Amino acid sequence: QVQLQESGPGLVKPSQTLSLTCTVSGGSISSGGYYWSWIRQHPGKGLEWIGYIYYSGSTYYNPSLKSRVTISVDTSKNQFSLKLSSVTAADTAVYYCARSERYCSSTSCYTYYYGMDVWGQGTTVTVSS
Amino acid sequence: QSVLTQPPSVSEAPRQRVTISCSGSSSNIGNNAVNWYQQLPGKAPKLLIYYDDLLPSGVSDRFSGSKSGTSASLAISGLQSEDEADYYCAAWDDSLNGYVFGTGTKVTVL
Repeated sequence: QVQLQESGPGLVKPSQTLSLTCTVSGGSISSGGYYWSWIRQHPGKGLEWIGYIYYSGSTYYNPSLKSRVTISVDTSKNQFSLKLSSVTAADTAVYYCARSERYCSSTSCYTYYYGMDVWGQGTTVTVSS
Repeated sequence: QSVLTQPPSVSEAPRQRVTISCSGSSSNIGNNAVNWYQQLPGKAPKLLIYYDDLLPSGVSDRFSGSKSGTSASLAISGLQSEDEADYYCAAWDDSLNGYVFGTGTKVTVL
C-alpha cells in the first residue's frame, strides 16, 4: 500500500526558508489520479491546509500562505516538496503530507471529494534562532 | 479561527452514542463534500468519512456521517475507549478558495 514519509530539518532559523520533502512509496506520483497535499498543525492546535500539487505540476495554495509557499514535485524521485519562506515562530508546527484521489464529474474535477486517505507520520519543525 | 465550527469537546460512557456537529455555510458545507478525520493522540489524522457519509474501506461502521444544508455531523455508536481522539470535519470553501478544517472536537470516553 502507499506510504508517505516526511523529511527535512527539524530546526529552522527565523527569516529562513523551511524545506520539507515527502517521499512516496508503494505507488507512483507520475501515474496520476492523485493530489499531493501539505497540512500543518501548530502545537496543541487544529489542522491547517497549506496546499497541494498534481503530478503535472499544477498547484493550489492556501491564500493566507500563498506569498510564502512553493510546492513542487519530482516524479523521478517519487517525491514532492514544500518550501515556506521568511519563517517566524508562528510557523512552528508538525507538518504532514497526504494524498487524495482526484474525482472528476462530467463538468469539474475535485481534489478532496474522497478526502485525504493516506498521511505521513508528520515531522516537527521548530523555528528558533 | 476556522469557518467550520465544532464543539470543543464531547464525552459519553462506553457503549453509548455521541454526535459531533460541524457548522459551516453555503460556501463550504452547503456546496461541497464534507470529510471527517480522526486524530489519535500523537498520531497523524486518519480519514473516517468522505463525501458527507461514505466510509473508506477498513473504517468501522460504528462511525457514520450526515449532512443537512450547511451543517454536518459525525456519529460514533457503541463508544469504545479506543475512540478517544480529536475529530475534525473538513470541506472545500469556495469563498476562501481553500480546504478548511473544523475547529476540532475532543471525544472523551468516561
